[in-house]
Amino acid sequence: SQQGEEDPQALSIQEGENATMNCSYKTSINNLQWYRQNSGRGLVHLILIRSNEREKHSGRLRVTLDTSKKSSSLLITASRAADTASYFCATDAKSNDYKLSFGAGTTVTVRA
Amino acid sequence: IAGITQAPTSQILAAGRRMTLRCTQDMRHNAMYWYRQDLGLGLRLIHYSNTAGTTGKGEVPDGYSVSRANTDDFPLTLASAVPSQTSVYFCASRTTGERGEAFFGQGTRLTVV
Repeated sequence: SQQGEEDPQALSIQEGENATMNCSYKTSINNLQWYRQNSGRGLVHLILIRSNEREKHSGRLRVTLDTSKKSSSLLITASRAADTASYFCATDAKSNDYKLSFGAGTTVTVRA
Repeated sequence: IAGITQAPTSQILAAGRRMTLRCTQDMRHNAMYWYRQDLGLGLRLIHYSNTAGTTGKGEVPDGYSVSRANTDDFPLTLASAVPSQTSVYFCASRTTGERGEAFFGQGTRLTVV
């Protein structure tokens, strides 16, 4: 089974609104990463948060991490039509391995 | 080459045929990965390699094999393709020192008929 599970599966918002999506995972992690995928393209890294961090910002993105609940959230503020994409969380499990496991993703549609 | 390159971009393959998907990176990353992406299932890890000469199984390894003869190349082979292997395949790589971000290729769309 996949390590990360995103919620919701799909999200439709008006331009200018905020979009929030969540990720839950199962095992201890070194870090958690968020990626974006535009239709038909490869994934692009957005932001990484390490297990000893609780919150991180990058431009209009804010990521939180709660290791006690094994969950993370990604907030996109003041959304734009160009933010329409699928968003995935990926977990780097705490182990000697370097596996990177992805969830099923959240599809975000920003309406103009 | 800049970054990570996959070939072919797309392929239609007859069931039972053998196929190798190619992946090459020029970033000298130690770790490389193969994922398949199916609608509603996100990305599932097929095989990975922590460094040249080593490989490991992911979530869905059956029917696939990989090799890592050098740092740059990580080919994925379907020995005898089946229709359930119809998918979009992504290769990715990253450094192992910082356990940082992964860089993805543009994907290979494979249809097995």
